[in-house]
Amino acid sequence: EIVLTQSPATLSLSPGERATLSCRASQSIGTYLGWYQQKPGQPPRLLISETSKRATGIPARFSGSGSGTDFTLTISSLEPEDFAVYYCQQLSNWPAIAFGQGTRLEIK
Amino acid sequence: QVQLVESGGGVVQPGGSLRLSCVASGFLFETHGMHWVRQAPGKGLEWVAYLRHDGDDKFYADSVKGRFTISRDNSKNTLSLQMNSLRVEDTAVYYCARPTQGFLDYWGQGVLVTVSS
Repeated sequence: EIVLTQSPATLSLSPGERATLSCRASQSIGTYLGWYQQKPGQPPRLLISETSKRATGIPARFSGSGSGTDFTLTISSLEPEDFAVYYCQQLSNWPAIAFGQGTRLEIK
Repeated sequence: QVQLVESGGGVVQPGGSLRLSCVASGFLFETHGMHWVRQAPGKGLEWVAYLRHDGDDKFYADSVKGRFTISRDNSKNTLSLQMNSLRVEDTAVYYCARPTQGFLDYWGQGVLVTVSS
């Protein structure tokens, strides 16, 4: 079973700063990784699929990179609405998808 | 537009049963496999079950295998989750979600299931 580990657990930044979130897989998963954003009381929203493909309507300040075991979600310049919890997800055991434990991005 | 609307949640005692439904609209439901994903209060996301578009292949997380049954009625654009032998640890918001190339691009708003005596 491939495990996804996200770091840091909590990231405290100010609007306008750059955010870098990490997701590490316990074994290589190629580029089969996605990222979701979740705000309180809402379902998750797909941001990125296949490591770097932005979903429909996702602003260009969100970007994804990586391959194999190490992946990164970057938010180039934080907007107030970006403060949320972010999850990564992998497909290696499809259809039994798995998520990381999440990174909480909070306002400093 | 794509919509997924869950219903059927509520409070149930340990050992009890509940049936969740998810009505889909805005896309060709019969051509998409569908997932159930849950989230315990204050916790992360946990995959629960997947059903192929034609209803032939079903997959479950180990934590629910033998207790939960996923099904669908393509004539009614409805996905269901029959939950039996419920445990306190099944307390969560349950989401139905549609995958596209493996990633969940549409989610319902979720329905809360509380298992408590």
